[in-house]
Amino acid sequence: DVKVTQSSRYLVKRTGEKVFLECVQDMDHENMFWYRQDPGLGLRLIYFSYDVKMKEKGDIPEGYSVSREKKERFSLILESASTNQTSMYLCASSTIHRIAGGPGETQYFGPGTRLLVL
Amino acid sequence: AQSVSQHNHHVILSEAASLELGCNYSYGGTVNLFWYVQYPGQHLQLLLKYFSGDPLVKGIKGFEAEFIKSKFSFNLRKPSVQWSDTAEYFCAVNDGYSTLTFGKGTMLLVSP
Repeated sequence: DVKVTQSSRYLVKRTGEKVFLECVQDMDHENMFWYRQDPGLGLRLIYFSYDVKMKEKGDIPEGYSVSREKKERFSLILESASTNQTSMYLCASSTIHRIAGGPGETQYFGPGTRLLVL
Repeated sequence: AQSVSQHNHHVILSEAASLELGCNYSYGGTVNLFWYVQYPGQHLQLLLKYFSGDPLVKGIKGFEAEFIKSKFSFNLRKPSVQWSDTAEYFCAVNDGYSTLTFGKGTMLLVSP
């Protein structure tokens, strides 16, 4: 079974702090994603990565950055946390299916990190 | 840009009732369609998916969905829900080249 793990289930930070959220997948997947999940808004893509050291902005990248130094690990960084970044953060990974194509194949999600910024 | 619309934010049903959750998308070309489910306190997980072939797709736990291209729809159905189906359900779509676009989710509450 695919396993996607996230470093923390719950995190409390203060406004202005630098925050690191870590995600690791064990299935040698090429693609990794960071989403935030908010009530009534669904999942919104922050950043994604197709390969090591490669990153692409999603729909809401402002205030975030990412790092992918190793294939299995994808980190989300909040450079200076703000209260409007209080949310549930979900990491996901997927592999590339050559026939169907595209990065949007079945995604496997981690358990999420619930971040509270005070 | 693609968009996904889920018709209901909240649905409340009694056990054994039939379920249909609506999902419409905006993209006019070839699409891949997904339903994900998030049970309370658990990971988001895949319920079923459609890439090609038979437009009636069967997933886990007795769920099915029908892709109707002319209606840009991919509605989720289950003939008889159980209390354990209480969860949030997300429809998602991509065109095979882009990232997934998710709907805003439907919270289903099944009363025993």
